[in-house]
Amino acid sequence: GAVVSQHPSRVICKSGTSVKIECRSLDFQATTMFWYRQFPKQSLMLMATSNEGSKATYEQGVEKDKFLINHASLTLSTLTVTSAHPEDSSFYICSALWGGRHGYTFGSGTRLTVV
Amino acid sequence: GENVEQHPSTLSVQEGDSAVIKCTYSDSASNYFPWYKQELGKRPQLIIDIRSNVGEKKDQRIAVTLNKTAKHFSLHITETQPEDSAVYFCAASKGDKLIFGTGTRLQVFP
Repeated sequence: GAVVSQHPSRVICKSGTSVKIECRSLDFQATTMFWYRQFPKQSLMLMATSNEGSKATYEQGVEKDKFLINHASLTLSTLTVTSAHPEDSSFYICSALWGGRHGYTFGSGTRLTVV
Repeated sequence: GENVEQHPSTLSVQEGDSAVIKCTYSDSASNYFPWYKQELGKRPQLIIDIRSNVGEKKDQRIAVTLNKTAKHFSLHITETQPEDSAVYFCAASKGDKLIFGTGTRLQVFP
């Protein structure tokens, strides 16, 4: 149980274009979704927290106009990287809170390469 | 805000030896401390966790200890095997969020 499906697993895009990453909770309702970014050989850095039906909360230093998060339903949260640049190339991963009391489940991650 | 430091950044051990990874946190309100194993390009996998009302927890070859007063917690892996080789991350809760440590690359040599 508590599976989060993340798509796409890999994407290559051109500079200036936008990319959307989706995370779906398959067998539970994800009221809260966390979005992380992980550069090579580095840790997972929390970018933002999204709650169903409300605006996302962004961590300090994360541009909300560049990383658009939508959590319109209890089973789907999306991250859109707008006007992507090579420095946005990274591994993006979502994590859903389920069952309360710190039960977290992670998506499989998206490797974004901006050329 | 919460800051989580993790040491060492790399750790090499011989198969069968023990490995210890240590983390410190700054927010005394943190009450949940999971440890994750991450293989290259994959999602983090929870291997063990501990809550602030417990000092130690063990699951077969893996154990975690927590010192709330000193704000540190440690992962202990005994009888290491080559398949334990991976990057390990500690994390500490900040409300519902998880703040991750910097990671430890563990290599277990046969």
